[in-house]
Amino acid sequence: EDQVTQSPEALRLQEGESSSLNCSYTVSGLRGLFWYRQDPGKGPEFLFTLYSAGEEKEKERLKATLTKKESFLHITAPKPEDSATYLCAVIGNFNKFYFGSGTKLNVKP
Amino acid sequence: EAEVAQSPRYKITEKSQAVAFWCDPISGHATLYWYRQILGQGPELLVQFQDESVVDDSQLPKDRFSAERLKGVDSTLKIQPAELGDSAMYLCASSLAAVGQPQHFGDGTRLSIL
Repeated sequence: EDQVTQSPEALRLQEGESSSLNCSYTVSGLRGLFWYRQDPGKGPEFLFTLYSAGEEKEKERLKATLTKKESFLHITAPKPEDSATYLCAVIGNFNKFYFGSGTKLNVKP
Repeated sequence: EAEVAQSPRYKITEKSQAVAFWCDPISGHATLYWYRQILGQGPELLVQFQDESVVDDSQLPKDRFSAERLKGVDSTLKIQPAELGDSAMYLCASSLAAVGQPQHFGDGTRLSIL
């Protein structure tokens, strides 16, 4: 069964303290892995799509990477405005989106 | 940037009542999704449309939930009768294609059942 697991569930960082969020997946024939940011009371905001192992995408302080079993979202020198829940989703051969439960990031000034 | 529009933003109703949510996807997006998100969890797919046709409603509680997208554009999700356990955020998303394309989400409807 297709599955997505995100870790840690919550992460507290000091401003400027770089770290990584993990998304482990099992899926039949990966057709895409997606990262989203979700602020409280809002819908998820699309960040990145990754399609194949070795692929990397960057946006400001965020960098997403992909291997055959997991994806990492690296946050370099985070700022308080980066505080949010980060969601990972995959789509496989059955054309269904599976979301993880997210990592809640809190960046303290 | 074009957005997915949802209304209402908040809905409070009593159990056993009927409730409806509306979604207008990004123009040109053929695929539309309804999700339910419980606090602290990821979104769970309820129903997926390709144009006006349902392509996946395997997780939709069909005894009380219904969804339609009559002209292949906007969509309505209905619950009747509502139960206490239906309290959640209901999110609508759309994408250009069903496979390999990112979904773009609206800001959802926060439903509270009293």
